[in-house]
Formats: sequence, C-alpha cells, structure tokens
Amino acid sequence: GIQVEQSPPDLILQEGANSTLRCNFSDSVNNLQWFHQNPWGQLINLFYIPSGTKQNGRLSATTVATERYSLLYISSSQTTDSGVYFCAGRGNNRLAFGKGNQVVVIP
Amino acid sequence: DGGITQSPKYLFRKEGQNVTLSCEQNLNHDAMYWYRQDPGQGLRLIYYSQIVNDFQKGDIAEGYSVSREKKESFPLTVTSAQKNPTAFYLCASSKETVVANYGYTFGSGTRLTVV
Repeated sequence: GIQVEQSPPDLILQEGANSTLRCNFSDSVNNLQWFHQNPWGQLINLFYIPSGTKQNGRLSATTVATERYSLLYISSSQTTDSGVYFCAGRGNNRLAFGKGNQVVVIP
Repeated sequence: DGGITQSPKYLFRKEGQNVTLSCEQNLNHDAMYWYRQDPGQGLRLIYYSQIVNDFQKGDIAEGYSVSREKKESFPLTVTSAQKNPTAFYLCASSKETVVANYGYTFGSGTRLTVV
C-alpha cells in the first residue's frame, strides 16, 4: 500500500514562530487532506488539497502532486495550534495516514 | 447540522467479551470507514464500506466485524478474537462519485479499554 512519511515527527515552537510540516507519499495519491487532532482525539479537517495552494487564516497548504509531497505552513503560531497534524492521501479506495507531526507551541 | 456520531465515547470491556461500537452519519455520504489509533501512532484502516450491504477488509481486520445494513450506519464489533483491542477507534465517511472522492469527515471517536 501507499506509504506516507511526515516530518518532523516532533516540533516545539515558541508562540509567534512560523513552521512548515512536510508530507511525502510513496506513490501517486488522490484527495490529499490535512487534519489536526485535538486533545480529545477528534480529527478536524484543515485542508482538502489534491493540488495547488490553499489558505485559511494563519494556515496554508501546498500540494505538488507530480512530486508526491504536500506542505502545511503555520504562521504566527499560537498555543491552540498544539496537537498532532496528520496528512492522508487516498489510493486503492482507502485513505492512508502518516504517523503525524506532534506540535507543541509554548507561550 | 450534519455530522458523524460515534457512541459511546468511552467503553470498558472484559476479556472474552464482544463489544459493538456505533457510528451514524446524516451527511448522505456513500462510503464509511473504521480506523484504529494506538498511542503515538497514525490511523490504521480496519474495514470500509462503499455501498450498503457491502464492505471490505482494511489492513488490520482480524478480530473485528462490521455490517452496513443502512446507508447511515456502520457499526463495528470488536470480538474476543482481537488480542489487543485497547485503542482509540475513529469512524469516518466520505462522498463518492465515479470519478472522485470529496474528502473525509471523522467522528469524535470511541476509546475502548480492556479491563
């Protein structure tokens, strides 16, 4: 199946800093999504981004499908950005997940 | 508002018992999925269903069973054959067409603990 690699696995940020999370896929995928898992475990959709760039407030994402990677940018980070960020891509009728980026934003 | 409802949020099971986790959606989505998450890990696919009365095994289906009798419902049974069932279980749904999938929506999860 498709392998999804996320980097860095762990990230500690000072509040106000910017960061970039990366997601690489072993094969072509469709329907790439980024999620944020909150402290209660729920996965919140951040972006549905098969290709191109999207922005939502302080977050933006870019997917380069031909090179099989996606990036999530967090600007002016806040403590509420803490949590685990997952990317997932669809292949063979299923969504394959990476192991996540654990982000901690300290005040 | 449309969404996915999982129940219960917390579930305790004695060894040797079967338990059923509920997942209901009112999004009119065609496909539904069950994932398992272990601490510090990503999500692994247990079962999925693209239409009513049909479902397929995912990557870790052993010890689990599902049914899809209604479009809105996709319950997961954790059987006594599952050797390590303590985990966080997430249900998801997605709208499908012949040419595309339009993203996944997740429920809030059920945390299962074997006591």
